[in-house]
Amino acid sequence: EIVLTQSPGTLSLSPGERATLSCRASQSVSSSFLAWYQQKPGQAPRLLIYGASSRATGIPDRFSGSGSGTDFTLTISRLEPEDFAVYYCQQAGTSPPWDFTFGPGTTVDIK
Amino acid sequence: EVQLVQSGAEVKKPGESLKISCQGSGYSFSLYWIGWVRQMPGKGLEWMGIIYPGDSDTKYSPSFRGQVTISADKSITTAYLQWSSLKASDTATYYCARRFVSRTSTSLLYYMDVWGNGTTVTVSS
Repeated sequence: EIVLTQSPGTLSLSPGERATLSCRASQSVSSSFLAWYQQKPGQAPRLLIYGASSRATGIPDRFSGSGSGTDFTLTISRLEPEDFAVYYCQQAGTSPPWDFTFGPGTTVDIK
Repeated sequence: EVQLVQSGAEVKKPGESLKISCQGSGYSFSLYWIGWVRQMPGKGLEWMGIIYPGDSDTKYSPSFRGQVTISADKSITTAYLQWSSLKASDTATYYCARRFVSRTSTSLLYYMDVWGNGTTVTVSS
């Protein structure tokens, strides 16, 4: 079973700053199966990035994803007030194909 | 519009049974896996299991196998998550989500593209 670790646990930044979130897997994950989600309080998660680097429909281009193997990154180039939220990475079926493990999340809060 | 609409909040006592639902619309429900995700109060997302409504093939996370039952009725485009005997530790918000597969020229990409609104389950004596 693949374990995902996210760092940092909390990122305190100001609007306009750059956020860099890390997701590390316990074993190699195909980029095809790595996704990122955003969750705001009281809301369902929302898909941001799939295939490690493809933005979902309607996601602003300040969000970008990169990485391969065991190390993946979500970058928010310039934080907007609405970007302060919790971000989760997920591996959607590397091994076994029905394992959709999430990372523990990174909270991006206002400094 | 593709939507997953979940049933309303529930308050139950320990030992009671419960079945919550997730109704899909705006797409061919039978053709896409539906997953369930638990979020305990103040905690992260935990994947519970997934079902293919077309033939009810179901896979469970090892952490949830034997603790819950996932089912689906494709005739009414609805997936279910049920408990036979609730515990206080089942108190959480439960989300359903559709697993989508998109194709590039070189690979298939897998992700949960549409999420339900969540069902909050409170188990307390």
